[in-house]
Amino acid sequence: EPEVTQTPSHQVTQMGQEVILRCVPISNHLYFYWYRQILGQKVEFLVSFYNNEISEKSEIFDDQFSVERPDGSNFTLKIRSTKLEDSAMYFCASTGLAGYEQYFGPGTRLTVT
Amino acid sequence: AQSVTQLDSQVPVFEEAPVELRCNYSSSVSVYLFWYVQYPNQGLQLLLKYLSGSTLVKGINGFEAEFNKSQTSFHLRKPSVHISDTAEYFCAVTLIYNQGGKLIFGQGTELSVKP
Repeated sequence: EPEVTQTPSHQVTQMGQEVILRCVPISNHLYFYWYRQILGQKVEFLVSFYNNEISEKSEIFDDQFSVERPDGSNFTLKIRSTKLEDSAMYFCASTGLAGYEQYFGPGTRLTVT
Repeated sequence: AQSVTQLDSQVPVFEEAPVELRCNYSSSVSVYLFWYVQYPNQGLQLLLKYLSGSTLVKGINGFEAEFNKSQTSFHLRKPSVHISDTAEYFCAVTLIYNQGGKLIFGQGTELSVKP
């Protein structure tokens, strides 16, 4: 069964460093998303991406964040200068043409020290 | 704006007992509804969804949920739980007619099944 994959599973970085989180969505899906979950809190939407551009972003997704689909398979989230409060689990998700049922990857745990 | 409220943050229950995890939503427009499960140290897995049709929907692992439009609820139920059902459960909504739109999640309910 096709699945969304994410790398790395755990990333530790120092405050102020840039990080890139990588995702491979399900191959025939068209909509791509990043969500995050701070420890003990609910899952929050960050950004959605369709047809090679951002379709929606939350207030969390400020200028420090960017997304890219550099080729036909990868979908990346870049945090330009990490802060302590960026520590969270980051989930990638994708959905197909119908655009409603989202499939999630296993997540990348980002720890900023 | 839409919001989702899961009324119980933690639900302890004994094995083979029935369980209900409650979810209420608020939205001025129609929504689709979902339940996701997150096992320890894993990602989110879709448990079931309501898009249209029968208001009672069945999902994986013996779970079911009932959509009640008048009460704006989508409670999750299982008649007999197993130890392996111990996990965090998230209710989520997305707007109808907003193809590719975001999911809005509740705070989650931690189900703890004890022997």
